[in-house]
Amino acid sequence: GEDVEQSLFLSVREGDSSVINCTYTDSSSTYLYWYKQEPGAGLQLLTYIFSNMDMKQDQRLTVLLNKKDKHLSLRIADTQTGDSAIYFCAEGLGGGSYIPTFGRGTSLIVHP
Amino acid sequence: GAVVSQHPSRVICKSGTSVKIECRSLDFQATTMFWYRQFPKQSLMLMATSNEGSKATYEQGVEKDKFLINHASLTLSTLTVTSAHPEDSSFYICSASGGKNTEAFFGQGTRLTVV
Repeated sequence: GEDVEQSLFLSVREGDSSVINCTYTDSSSTYLYWYKQEPGAGLQLLTYIFSNMDMKQDQRLTVLLNKKDKHLSLRIADTQTGDSAIYFCAEGLGGGSYIPTFGRGTSLIVHP
Repeated sequence: GAVVSQHPSRVICKSGTSVKIECRSLDFQATTMFWYRQFPKQSLMLMATSNEGSKATYEQGVEKDKFLINHASLTLSTLTVTSAHPEDSSFYICSASGGKNTEAFFGQGTRLTVV
């Protein structure tokens, strides 16, 4: 199987919460990342969490990490149409030689 | 966060010609730059890693003579797709990291279409 797995699609109604899930296999990962890619654009780092943390909250974003199960999730509260994008989960060791391993991305579709 | 600028954002070229894509770190020194390729509905595939002043390290299956990477300065890396073919059409993204950064910053990507 792939090193980082995530579901390909998620559809939510505007105003609802979105939860995007990700599983990874490398237990030595130090950093877990969430990136957002809007159509035709590069990746934007949304947030990241250290592997010794369980949760990180940043405004509408909540990241939960279950290190035992190697499960990472991104919750977007009050999802807006502008949140429609592809969200990539990535894991890595961080530092100057940063080479993350990416999942295939979850396409989030927000409809009115 | 730090800014990485990639140019051009879109390019269309004829089959058999070469195309150069630039990746610049605008406000930090990028000791390491990465080049990725993204196929439709797929994840990013790392093509190569380049450290300033040294030869790039290519991932398995990536032809170094076809995808020429130069990282001559701490703020600029270039990817040249030589003798491009339609199957080279893709979205190419660079990222850069350096100094005390704990993450890499991505360029906005280049959509290459070979006709």
